Amino acid sequence: ELKVEQNPLFLSMQEGKNYTIYCNYSTTSDRLYWYRQDPGKSLESLFVLLSNGAVKQEGRLMASLDTKARLSTLHITAAVHDLSATYFCAAPSGAGSYQLTFGKGTKLSVIP
Amino acid sequence: DTAVSQTPKYLVTQMGNDKSIKCEQNLGHDTMYWYKQDSKKFLKIMFSYNNKELIINETVPNRFSPKSPDKAHLNLHINSLELGDSAVYFCASSQVVFLAVYQETQYFGPGTRLLVL
Repeated sequence: ELKVEQNPLFLSMQEGKNYTIYCNYSTTSDRLYWYRQDPGKSLESLFVLLSNGAVKQEGRLMASLDTKARLSTLHITAAVHDLSATYFCAAPSGAGSYQLTFGKGTKLSVIP
Repeated sequence: DTAVSQTPKYLVTQMGNDKSIKCEQNLGHDTMYWYKQDSKKFLKIMFSYNNKELIINETVPNRFSPKSPDKAHLNLHINSLELGDSAVYFCASSQVVFLAVYQETQYFGPGTRLLVL
């Protein structure tokens, strides 16, 4: 059974600082998804990583995937308050799988 | 022009009642899902339908019954509601695409906040 673990689960960081959220998954997968959820809102797709070594960037967020280490990272550069949200990573159960298994989420609070 | 919509957005009801939540997607996707998100924000898959056929049925009480009249709609009916059913229920849809690798990005609805008193 696929397990997806994120850490940290809670992250409070100051504006302007850098930090990384980690996502480990337990079985082989060549793709990984990151979602963002604002308080009281739905989940929004952030990044789709489809191969080993894939790197995607949008604004102050950069996601990468190492399929050999079964690890994805979400790096935050020079955090701003607008990035405060819960971030989820998710991995598919297998090739062509319809199911995504989500991590428990990392609640990020960016404070002035 | 909402891609995945759910009704109602809020549902407050008494224990023991029966209620339904409706979901519709206009993305032309083949697969739809129901997730439950508890107060700790943990997201757990409940059901999935592909082309109106049930393909994922996680361990949920029999009181929960999904119905898919067509591939654009997936409804969730809950009988004899209990306090522990209070949560946010998200509908999602996806289309598995193979372009050298599989891709199955899921698109989520706005959620239905259910409170059982």
